Amino acid sequence: EIVLTQSPGTLSLSPGERATLSCRASQSVSSYLVWYQQKPGQAPRLLIYGASSRATGIPDRFSGSGSETDFTLTISRLEPDDFAVYYCQHYAGSPWTFGQGTKVEIK
Amino acid sequence: EVDLVESGGGLVQPGGSLRLSCAASGFTFSSHWMSWVRQAPGKGLEWVANIKQDASEKYYVDSVKGRLTISRDNAKNSLYLQMDSLRAEDTAMYYCARVSGVVVVTAAHWYLDVWGRGTLVTVSS
Repeated sequence: EIVLTQSPGTLSLSPGERATLSCRASQSVSSYLVWYQQKPGQAPRLLIYGASSRATGIPDRFSGSGSETDFTLTISRLEPDDFAVYYCQHYAGSPWTFGQGTKVEIK
Repeated sequence: EVDLVESGGGLVQPGGSLRLSCAASGFTFSSHWMSWVRQAPGKGLEWVANIKQDASEKYYVDSVKGRLTISRDNAKNSLYLQMDSLRAEDTAMYYCARVSGVVVVTAAHWYLDVWGRGTLVTVSS
């Protein structure tokens, strides 16, 4: 099973700041990585697939990068609606696994 | 409008059974792999199972193998999760999700692009 480790656990930032979230895989997942956003009481929302492709309707302030074992989700300028928990997930074979999440909170 | 609506959750005793359903609408259900994902209270997401369009392939996380069974009825646009021998650690919100994919050059990229609102399963005596 591939383990995904996200860091930091919590990111405290102000609106307008840049957020950089990390996801590290225990072995190579090539570019088979997805990012989701989840707000309290809601289902997750797809942001990025293929490590760097934005899903339909996702603003361009969200960007993904990386390959093999190291991945980054960047939010260029945080808006109030972006404060949430972010999860990475791989699909490089079964079982699919998620990272433990990074909470982006208002400073 | 594309939508997934789960039902069937509730309180069940350890060792008991429950059957979750997910009703799909607004898209061609039979054209998509489907997934169940769960989230224990206050915890992160855990992928549970996938099922192919014609149900010929099914995949599970190890912790549920032999106890939880994913199935589908394309005529009814419905996804199911039969849950047997339930344990306290199965307590979670269960989401059904649509699997979509895109092929880029020779690589197939899969993602969960539509999610239901979830149904809560509580296993407790």
